Amino acid sequence: DAKTTQPPSMDCAEGRAANLPCNHSTISGNEYVYWYRQIHSQGPQYIIHGLKNNETNEMASLIITEDRKSSTLILPHATLRDTAVYYCIVIVTQAGTALIFGKGTTLSVSS
Amino acid sequence: EAGVAQSPRYKIIEKRQSVAFWCNPISGHATLYWYQQILGQGPKLLIQFQNNGVVDDSQLPKDRFSAERLKGVDSTLKIQPAKLEDSAVYLCASRETHTDTQYFGPGTRLTVL
Repeated sequence: DAKTTQPPSMDCAEGRAANLPCNHSTISGNEYVYWYRQIHSQGPQYIIHGLKNNETNEMASLIITEDRKSSTLILPHATLRDTAVYYCIVIVTQAGTALIFGKGTTLSVSS
Repeated sequence: EAGVAQSPRYKIIEKRQSVAFWCNPISGHATLYWYQQILGQGPKLLIQFQNNGVVDDSQLPKDRFSAERLKGVDSTLKIQPAKLEDSAVYLCASRETHTDTQYFGPGTRLTVL
């Protein structure tokens, strides 16, 4: 079973920031938080990952709380193309472990 | 860099028929995964390969599903005989070792009638 809890759906206006929360209260010290998204009829796409420090790349920012029990994925300026299912996944990195997907959050961006 | 390739993209078969899916991972990726995604759910692992060896096939229904990666590069997943509940998208992914990131192909959508 997935080790994370996410809201089933969220809405966001185009151009605004989308903040997607994830709860992972049972995370272990050697587990990373990964975010993937799946646009309709496509395979999942990697977004970002982190251990305990906040991370930023060209797609998004990842904010992890100090106790590491929750995190937030931030899409700073959402566009219609960001409409997708977003999955928060906790895994031990460098182990090659398969991803365990939950149901994710369906983000709907509207104009 | 070319992504993960899968074929066919769509397949419709009758129950009890057989079907095969093909995956070509990103060049140099030693780890390859097959996932099954039923409508409305997240992908679930079927089998994981490291080069041409099986790492995890605990979730593969071995009475009807088989998979191979003979030369440690491309892979095939076969279902024989298919059941109605096998209707799903079959996703192939390969792993980039340095970043531990998995890259997914577009998937094959199977419909069993």
